[in-house]
Amino acid sequence: QQQVKQSPQSLIVQKGGISIINCAYENTAFDYFPWYQQFPGKGPALLIAIRPDVSEKKEGRFTISFNKSAKQFSLHIMDSQPGDSATYFCGGKGGSEKLVFGKGTKLTVNP
Amino acid sequence: NAGVTQTPKFQVLKTGQSMTLQCAQDMNHNSMYWYRQDPGMGLRLIYYSASEGTTDKGEVPNGYNVSRLNKREFSLRLESAAPSQTSVYFCASRTRTSGVRDTQYFGPGTRLTVL
Repeated sequence: QQQVKQSPQSLIVQKGGISIINCAYENTAFDYFPWYQQFPGKGPALLIAIRPDVSEKKEGRFTISFNKSAKQFSLHIMDSQPGDSATYFCGGKGGSEKLVFGKGTKLTVNP
Repeated sequence: NAGVTQTPKFQVLKTGQSMTLQCAQDMNHNSMYWYRQDPGMGLRLIYYSASEGTTDKGEVPNGYNVSRLNKREFSLRLESAAPSQTSVYFCASRTRTSGVRDTQYFGPGTRLTVL
C-alpha cells in the first residue's frame, strides 16, 4: 500500500522558473512531512519539513504548502537554478519510527 | 564527524552468494535504518532499529537479516543473494527530536549488483 503518492515523476524547468512537486497522503495519523533532496551518487538529505499545524513553511527559495483537509502538500522552488537539479522525495510520518517516502521526482533545471 | 559511513561502496555478487553491508554512525543516534532504492520505486524500508538491541521489519524485509551490533553499528546481511536484490542500499540514522528537524541522516550508499 503506497501511503504517499508523489507527482510528477520527472519535471523539466527553465532557469528562473518555478518548480512544483505534489504529494498526497492517506494516513491521517501522519504529523510530519519532510522533503528530501538527492543528488546523483549521493544519499538523500533533508531539505525542508512541515508539521500540519501550519499551512506554509518557507526556507529561502523553497516553500512547502500544506492542505490538511485535502491531505496534500507540495514543494515550490522559486527562481529554480541548475544546481537544484536533483531527485526530490516527499515523506510522511506519524508516531512510529517509520518514515514513508514517495517514489521521487527527478527535477532538471535547464540553463 | 564522519556522519553515516557505509562499506563497501560497490559490490558484485553471484546468485546464491552471501554478504554483509556495514553501516556506522558517529552522531550518537538511537535509531538506524536500512533502505533500498530502485528506479521508479523510491526509498523502501527494509529493516530498522529503534534502539540498541531492537530490530523491526520494514516494508521489504524478505531475503535480508540485520544486526544492531551496538549503538553505532547496524549491519544488513544477504544470506543467499538473488538478482532481484540488485539495488542501491542506504543506511540512515536518526535522533529522536520534536519539531520540524526530525531528520534522518543518510550514508553515501552501497551499489550492489547480483548476477
